[in-house]
Amino acid sequence: EPEVTQTPSHQVTQMGQEVILRCVPISNHLYFYWYRQILGQKVEFLVSFYNNEISEKSEIFDDQFSVERPDGSNFTLKIRSTKLEDSAMYFCASSKALAYTDTQYFGPGTRLTVL
Amino acid sequence: DAKTTQPPSMDCAEGRAANLPCNHSTISGNEYVYWYRQIHSQGPQYIIHGLKNNETNEMASLIITEDRKSSTLILPHATLRDTAVYYCIVRFTLSGNTPLVFGKGTRLSVIA
Repeated sequence: EPEVTQTPSHQVTQMGQEVILRCVPISNHLYFYWYRQILGQKVEFLVSFYNNEISEKSEIFDDQFSVERPDGSNFTLKIRSTKLEDSAMYFCASSKALAYTDTQYFGPGTRLTVL
Repeated sequence: DAKTTQPPSMDCAEGRAANLPCNHSTISGNEYVYWYRQIHSQGPQYIIHGLKNNETNEMASLIITEDRKSSTLILPHATLRDTAVYYCIVRFTLSGNTPLVFGKGTRLSVIA
């Protein structure tokens, strides 16, 4: 069964450094998403992406965040200058973009630790 | 904020049915009920969704009341591997990109 994959599984970085989290969505899916979960808190929506542009973003997704689909298979989340509070699990998801009913499938996540 | 209310925790004996309730009294006609679960810190796993009819798949059954103000997720024969946080999410889906709004969910503990 096709799955969303994410790399790396764990990323440790110093505050102020740039990080890129990578995702390979399910191959025939057209919508891509990033969510994050700070330890012990709810899963929060960051951004959705369709047709090579951002469809929707939350208040969390400020100027230090960016997303890109650099090729036909990868979907990336870049954090330009990491802060301590960016430490979280980051989940990528994808969906087929069907009207009326559309299921998002999540990857296993990347644990980002900012020191 | 999440538009659903779920009990914070539940226990279930292994092999018994787990019935997880969810209240969504403000649900509108175009909103579906989705259920996901999260095992430890893994990515949320899709379980099932429905609009107004009861639904069943290989993982679970979803019972939605006639007024659609509440629903119950049923795991027919819970196993230890079903221990997880279960999220009931109400979602408007006329287009394909509506974000999922997660609440705190119900922490289900399956006990041997």
